[in-house]
Amino acid sequence: GQQLNQSPQSMFIQEGEDVSMNCTSSSIFNTWLWYKQEPGEGPVLLIALYKAGELTSNGRLTAQFGITRKDSFLNISASIPSDVGIYFCAGQRQETSGSRLTFGEGTQLTVNP
Amino acid sequence: DTAVSQTPKYLVTQMGNDKSIKCEQNLGHDTMYWYKQDSKKFLKIMFSYNNKELIINETVPNRFSPKSPDKAHLNLHINSLELGDSAVYFCASSQEVGSAEAFFGQGTRLTVV
Repeated sequence: GQQLNQSPQSMFIQEGEDVSMNCTSSSIFNTWLWYKQEPGEGPVLLIALYKAGELTSNGRLTAQFGITRKDSFLNISASIPSDVGIYFCAGQRQETSGSRLTFGEGTQLTVNP
Repeated sequence: DTAVSQTPKYLVTQMGNDKSIKCEQNLGHDTMYWYKQDSKKFLKIMFSYNNKELIINETVPNRFSPKSPDKAHLNLHINSLELGDSAVYFCASSQEVGSAEAFFGQGTRLTVV
């Protein structure tokens, strides 16, 4: 099935550093989303992107919908310890039978105080 | 109030048993989903229901039978559990079938021994 290639798989950074992660696909998506999952919890939506080229911010988070509609990136500025978690990209394609999210493999972020 | 709640949070059972996981959303959404997260944290859609009707069945074994008594509830029944069914199962909902923004429950960690 359709897969999203998300990188890096893991990151170990110092508090205060900026972080960047991205997702690529061989197919076009209509919508890109970024989720964060903390241990023992479900994924929580961070940012949703609906238009190619769109750049959207949510606090210290910024995400962009690639112009080719086949990629997206997420930046986190001035990281803090509570940014720790797994970040997932997800893409949505509209289909006649409904829409579904295809998830990337996740980026495990560790922030050292 | 929890938007998407699923029970139980943990489920340990023996091979061959039948078990159910319940999910309820109080967001007034029309569409509900079941996702499976494997040991490598990969998230994959299993089912999608819109207003109690099945719209996506992602080639899941027929030992898995979702049931939606109303649009606020989507339960998952699993017959003849196998070791490979061990995973975290997430319920999610979105406003309508075309909505990309899905809200996830806390997950049910199923362990088959």
